[in-house]
Amino acid sequence: ETGVTQTPRHLVMGMTNKKSLKCEQHLGHNAMYWYKQSAKKPLELMFVYNFKEQTENNSVPSRFSPECPNSSHLFLHLHTLQPEDSALYLCASSQGQGALSYEQYFGPGTRLTVT
Amino acid sequence: KQEVTQIPAALSVPEGENLVLNCSFTDSAIYNLQWFRQDPGKGLTSLLLIQSSQREQTSGRLNASLDKSSGRSTLYIAASQPGDSATYLCAVSLFSGGYNKLIFGAGTRLAVHP
Repeated sequence: ETGVTQTPRHLVMGMTNKKSLKCEQHLGHNAMYWYKQSAKKPLELMFVYNFKEQTENNSVPSRFSPECPNSSHLFLHLHTLQPEDSALYLCASSQGQGALSYEQYFGPGTRLTVT
Repeated sequence: KQEVTQIPAALSVPEGENLVLNCSFTDSAIYNLQWFRQDPGKGLTSLLLIQSSQREQTSGRLNASLDKSSGRSTLYIAASQPGDSATYLCAVSLFSGGYNKLIFGAGTRLAVHP
């Protein structure tokens, strides 16, 4: 596997379910990100992790819970979601963070539908 | 607050045309600007990255320019092909709150027909 991978690619869940999205990067990067892309809205940053430490949550509702066990893996745990949470969830990684401009590499995304 | 605007929102052209996609941003204190391509329902593919100290970058038929002082970038696509059909996203990189983040525009949806 190369680049950034995400699983599952598609997920349908009820509002009372609990599920998790997984992201893995094979680029040796130290920073990882979760983005949300809703229909007809720009991509929104949800979470940033740098060296496994969360540095930003961007006022995301608590029904979204990130986890970064190491620099290569990132999870997004979902529980009691709302239909408006249906979106494409994208993971990205970059070489680092801080006052330097690093290119971000994106995964293919998980298409989430909440019923 | 940084805002990124892309014009036009959608574009439909015949094959072979040269195209210009526009991106503007409100705060010139950026670290870099990236152009991405997104196919329907898919992730983002980075096309070009222009550092704040650079004026342009080229890759094949693509050329991106950056004018920080006026808050503008353009993506030029030469001799367009049907395979270029996709949504093109512009994003600026800021350093804010102790970390580096991307602010995206809403995208330009391009359709190139044979």
